[in-house]
Amino acid sequence: DAGITQSPRHKVTETGTPVTLRCHQTENHRYMYWYRQDPGHGLRLIHYSYGVKDTDKGEVSDGYSVSRSKTEDFLLTLESATSSQTSVYFCAISESTGANVLTFGAGSRLTVL
Amino acid sequence: AQSVSQHNHHVILSEAASLELGCNYSYGGTVNLFWYVQYPGQHLQLLLKYFSGDPLVKGIKGFEAEFIKSKFSFNLRKPSVQWSDTAEYFCAVNPTGANNLFFGTGTRLTVIP
Repeated sequence: DAGITQSPRHKVTETGTPVTLRCHQTENHRYMYWYRQDPGHGLRLIHYSYGVKDTDKGEVSDGYSVSRSKTEDFLLTLESATSSQTSVYFCAISESTGANVLTFGAGSRLTVL
Repeated sequence: AQSVSQHNHHVILSEAASLELGCNYSYGGTVNLFWYVQYPGQHLQLLLKYFSGDPLVKGIKGFEAEFIKSKFSFNLRKPSVQWSDTAEYFCAVNPTGANNLFFGTGTRLTVIP
């Protein structure tokens, strides 16, 4: 997967519990993204990062936070998971913005009961 | 609201049939355009991209797309589909200056042997 590892790949959790998804890259790309994929909605951007400690919100950021303390790691946290956050989460990386050719990870399937 | 529209939600074709999937966007100004493909159980992969120049772009596996600026369209085509083309296809737009790719809702293609 072009040097992108997402963990965990599958997780089942209960409403109200915190969840953290990890994206690790070995490409040394500056830009990292978290998307969620839902039927009928395609992919929607949650948060993205344009460098260490530099992050910004995407289209559907409510209920999510992110952190990037190292170039290679981008964490997505659901502080208190809800059933509406049941989804497949994809991490993506890009060497530069503008052109925005994204390379995607394998995805993390999260089920919130 | 600005958006990316894929009007075909599910297309079913027999092998050797020709394919055209529609994509329209509503962003003004200069845009970069992409088609991504997601094979069953896999992550998204870049199929082709358009940044500038010849509006007819050729991608992998015999796919091509044509950018028609006046119609705000970037339709995907393949003259003869194969069973292995069964997948979900996403059109994506990067407006110049934006740090994000905006995705359409996807078109599921089923090719019958």
